[in-house]
Amino acid sequence: AQSVTQLGSHVSVSEGALVLLRCNYSSSVPPYLFWYVQYPNQGLQLLLKYTSAATLVKGINGFEAEFKKSETSFHLTKPSAHMSDAAEYFCAVSADTDGGSQGNLIFGKGTKLSVKP
Amino acid sequence: DAMVIQNPRYQVTQFGKPVTLSCSQTLNHNVMYWYQQKSSQAPKLLFHYYDKDFNNEADTPDNFQSRRPNTSFCFLDIRSPGLGDAAMYLCATSRDTAGVLKTQYFGPGTRLLVL
Repeated sequence: AQSVTQLGSHVSVSEGALVLLRCNYSSSVPPYLFWYVQYPNQGLQLLLKYTSAATLVKGINGFEAEFKKSETSFHLTKPSAHMSDAAEYFCAVSADTDGGSQGNLIFGKGTKLSVKP
Repeated sequence: DAMVIQNPRYQVTQFGKPVTLSCSQTLNHNVMYWYQQKSSQAPKLLFHYYDKDFNNEADTPDNFQSRRPNTSFCFLDIRSPGLGDAAMYLCATSRDTAGVLKTQYFGPGTRLLVL
């Protein structure tokens, strides 16, 4: 069974500082991994996804994530935080990766990012 | 632009009064999902439709039902809302095709308040 652990329910950084949001996964098969962002009272917006091609994945808004199989990690980073990055971030793994059934997502509990001026 | 639309964005209902939330999509995706997200929690899958086939999660209460009259629309019916059903309800879609990554695209959500 797949699972996702996000370390730190709340991360606070200063504007211009590095953003690092941690995600570790557990999967018995090669996973599909996703990062979503959720702004207050909004739905989830896809930031980036790992498709088993390049291990370094670039997403929208300057975010990127690196898939490290040896560490079972898929941490999200951004070199320089902006005030508009303040939101909640969810890491997710796809539960069904055999290509023949629905890609049900297993979400982590989320990390709320605060950006201080 | 192709998108997932949810109406209404905010819904207030009374304890025990049936309520229906709506989701439509212009992506022509064959899979549609309903999630419940309570405050400061991760989204929790309630059920999904794979084409016309309904798939209920084992722990989804019977109080929650869904209808999908056609590819574009999907409804969430809460037969007798309780105070504990107050949450954000998220609709998502994906295209399930063998060999294609099944990315889910989410709507903006409907926030339900139960009085």
